[in-house]
Amino acid sequence: GAGVSQSPRYKVAKRGQDVALRCDPISGHVSLFWYQQALGQGPEFLTYFQNEAQLDKSGLPSDRFFAERPEGSVSTLKIQRTQQEDSAVYLCASSFSSQGFSYNSPLHFGNGTRLTVT
Amino acid sequence: AQTVTQSQPEMSVQEAETVTLSCTYDTSENNYYLFWYKQPPSRQMILVIRQEAYKQQNATENRFSVNFQKAAKSFSLKISDSQLGDTAMYFCAFLKPGTYKYIFGTGTRLKVLA
Repeated sequence: GAGVSQSPRYKVAKRGQDVALRCDPISGHVSLFWYQQALGQGPEFLTYFQNEAQLDKSGLPSDRFFAERPEGSVSTLKIQRTQQEDSAVYLCASSFSSQGFSYNSPLHFGNGTRLTVT
Repeated sequence: AQTVTQSQPEMSVQEAETVTLSCTYDTSENNYYLFWYKQPPSRQMILVIRQEAYKQQNATENRFSVNFQKAAKSFSLKISDSQLGDTAMYFCAFLKPGTYKYIFGTGTRLKVLA
């Protein structure tokens, strides 16, 4: 596609439910990132994939958060047993660079999924 | 650890006027990258301008320019001839070379008034 596509755009979940957020990166982009953006804050790093390999998951806030990218393209961020503090916008970004980032290959962001946990 | 501070939560400017958004950061690194991202209501983060710390010349992209003061650790964004479409959240971000974790500030909400 022309850009990074995320779905759903909005998700409302009751506390305790599991959710799955999808990211379709730009075709051919090697690197894929998930960021969490709480209300009134800047995005914060969650995890990084290079192709299908999850090279860094240090930003995932708890073991309820799980991300995968099994074929090196589409990625899914799963949150189990959602809590109210999980309410945020979840942004996906991809980059052509195979080294995670290069100055001349900046990140392309999707429109995010706004998750509200009630 | 690096930090990025944006001290102006909200700003407004009249259409066609100039506005400057402030950003300061803290790092012990000598070389790094700095960015300004725009986030309109669509929520998509759009790269506005970027600067490499070892370059003394301030970056410019059309109506957008930066004032990079390395010693003061300041990286402000100037928007000239403001347009209604510039209305958005603006985030300053820091990146250490060889890494991929952006450090974002808390953002400045800019409103351009007709």
